Amino acid sequence: GPKVLQIPSHQIIDMGQMVTLNCDPVSNHLYFYWYKQILGQQMEFLVNFYNGKVMEKSKLFKDQFSVERPDGSYFTLKIQPTALEDSAVYFCASSLGRRDEQYFGPGTRLTVL
Amino acid sequence: GDSVTQTEGLVTLTEGLPVMLNCTYQSTYSPFLFWYVQHLNEAPKLLLKSFTDNKRPEHQGFHATLHKSSSSFHLQKSSAQLSDSALYYCALSGGYQNFYFGKGTSLTVIP
Repeated sequence: GPKVLQIPSHQIIDMGQMVTLNCDPVSNHLYFYWYKQILGQQMEFLVNFYNGKVMEKSKLFKDQFSVERPDGSYFTLKIQPTALEDSAVYFCASSLGRRDEQYFGPGTRLTVL
Repeated sequence: GDSVTQTEGLVTLTEGLPVMLNCTYQSTYSPFLFWYVQHLNEAPKLLLKSFTDNKRPEHQGFHATLHKSSSSFHLQKSSAQLSDSALYYCALSGGYQNFYFGKGTSLTVIP
């Protein structure tokens, strides 16, 4: 079936540094999402993105977070600066339409030291 | 606004017993309802999606029926298997807003 790829699979950085998480969504999909999952907890919605704009974001999407998808390349989540509480697995997802099934990537495990 | 509420926390079942995970929703539109399953160290995957024509979706022995009268989409299986142990998310796709995921139910099936 359709696949979403995420790069890297693991990332370890020092607190205060910047990190960019990359997502390669399903090629014809138009809606893109980021979710955060702290170890052992449920997955939580961060943001969704369509037509170059953030459509909706949650309280977890702090000012230090930003998303973009320049020229149809990777859909990225940037955190600058990072904090210890940003340590989590970040899942990217994409869907064709806003009401359609979301396909998830395998996740990026981010560890902030 | 749209929202979804599901059985929260941990559910532990003995293998062979029936599974029922509750999901109720609020929506001002005619929503689509979904169940996603997330096994340990894996990404969430779609398990079931509601149909618009009252059909009952089924997959891997699981089924769910959309009841508009009670705003519910409970997940059921007649006999739990050890491999069913996972996190289960109910999700809603309503009007202008995109998806709403529930908080997730952790199902553990024991021998």
